[in-house]
Amino acid sequence: AQKITQTQPGMFVQEKEAVTLDCTYDTSDPSYGLFWYKQPSSGEMIFLIYQGSYDQQNATEGRYSLNFQKARKSANLVISASQLGDSAMYFCAMREDAGGTSYGKLTFGQGTILTVHP
Amino acid sequence: EAGVTQFPSHSVIEKGQTVTLRCDPISGHDNLYWYRRVMGKEIKFLLHFVKESKQDESGMPNNRFLAERTGGTYSTLKVQPAELEDSGVYFCASSRSSYYGYTFGSGTRLTVV
Repeated sequence: AQKITQTQPGMFVQEKEAVTLDCTYDTSDPSYGLFWYKQPSSGEMIFLIYQGSYDQQNATEGRYSLNFQKARKSANLVISASQLGDSAMYFCAMREDAGGTSYGKLTFGQGTILTVHP
Repeated sequence: EAGVTQFPSHSVIEKGQTVTLRCDPISGHDNLYWYRRVMGKEIKFLLHFVKESKQDESGMPNNRFLAERTGGTYSTLKVQPAELEDSGVYFCASSRSSYYGYTFGSGTRLTVV
């Protein structure tokens, strides 16, 4: 079974609109972390936002917010006021803390290509 | 602070040849990770160093892959001999904490022909 599922291979959004990229995860560990990374065409992986499983509030970083629904095991990324520079591949990833200890190994989803139209 | 540096950025080699990829982590980052993305597939974990020690190498595909981390600084990933299925993008990441703060490099695109 997939541990991280991103069901949207591609998404389109109009500039200045908001967009939600979906991510669902599967783990039996009570302690875990969820990450979103952006990969523009230049290839580097840019960290966007992090949510810990015990965090009470949804994470926010500027125009990025993470809609964390623990019971549904979803961690959707919301980008507000999209910009042309947001066009990129977006990866959702999970760190599982077996026995409460993290070793930092990330499991990634398949990625979603976001295209922002002017 | 300088980022994670990987080189070469691209490498094209023939099947059966040897290739060595290098990763220079951010100074002071004890944790170093290697990942690989084969065309059309997810990014997969290969291995994790803490300083110079291999913490987890459960993702290494087979014994044609050898990773080292000299003195807890830079790391190399050698593929010998390379096979066609080894083609992909190899990412390196480093962090101070094993919980978060992973900084990735730009990757090495390896093509085996």
